[in-house]
Amino acid sequence: NAGVTQTPKFRILKIGQSMTLQCTQDMNHNYMYWYRQDPGMGLKLIYYSVGAGITDKGEVPNGYNVSRSTTEDFPLRLELAAPSQTSVYFCASKTRTRGMNTEAFFGQGTRLTVV
Amino acid sequence: AQSVSQHNHHVILSEAASLELGCNYSYGGTVNLFWYVQYPGQHLQLLLKYFSGDPLVKGIKGFEAEFIKSKFSFNLRKPSVQWSDTAEYFCAVNPTGGGNKLTFGTGTQLKVEL
Repeated sequence: NAGVTQTPKFRILKIGQSMTLQCTQDMNHNYMYWYRQDPGMGLKLIYYSVGAGITDKGEVPNGYNVSRSTTEDFPLRLELAAPSQTSVYFCASKTRTRGMNTEAFFGQGTRLTVV
Repeated sequence: AQSVSQHNHHVILSEAASLELGCNYSYGGTVNLFWYVQYPGQHLQLLLKYFSGDPLVKGIKGFEAEFIKSKFSFNLRKPSVQWSDTAEYFCAVNPTGGGNKLTFGTGTQLKVEL
């Protein structure tokens, strides 16, 4: 099992450019999440999905878009990169077993710098 | 909406000292609680979790946490820290029974000195 895989690991973007951060999981998890991590701020939820075809906004969705066409993949799209989007992005997934929550599993992260 | 507070932002300890990191949450219903650890340059890994039952839960690497419902707290403890425990620690809460959002605290940076 690879778990949660994110690509790329590092990226430098110019202001106004666009890119897609890829996230895939092979655990057949229903729920997937995108977080951004900034120093001293913890992890802030950008978007999440409870299953294929269903997405919802988190705390800080502005400037981002997501899609969930399959159970495995949950890409995060930045349309017009801004310096405020310089951050480390983590994708996570989890499932529910017999109606109970389980812990989330995280990818290795993508360090994005917008200049 | 739920929220999580971690009051200690930076903690510096000597090896063999005892550790306690505070975590308080606000949410009206029942919750699942987690502590995650992030070693330098790595992703988050689960230390321990509380779902139900015994409020004192034990995790990996000698860590434990106690859920005190009346205080809305889930403090992390370790009797004797090691240099390798240097990392950032995050408390997280997930409402039970249908809540899907996992909310994190701002994290505590722990540095253990030799």
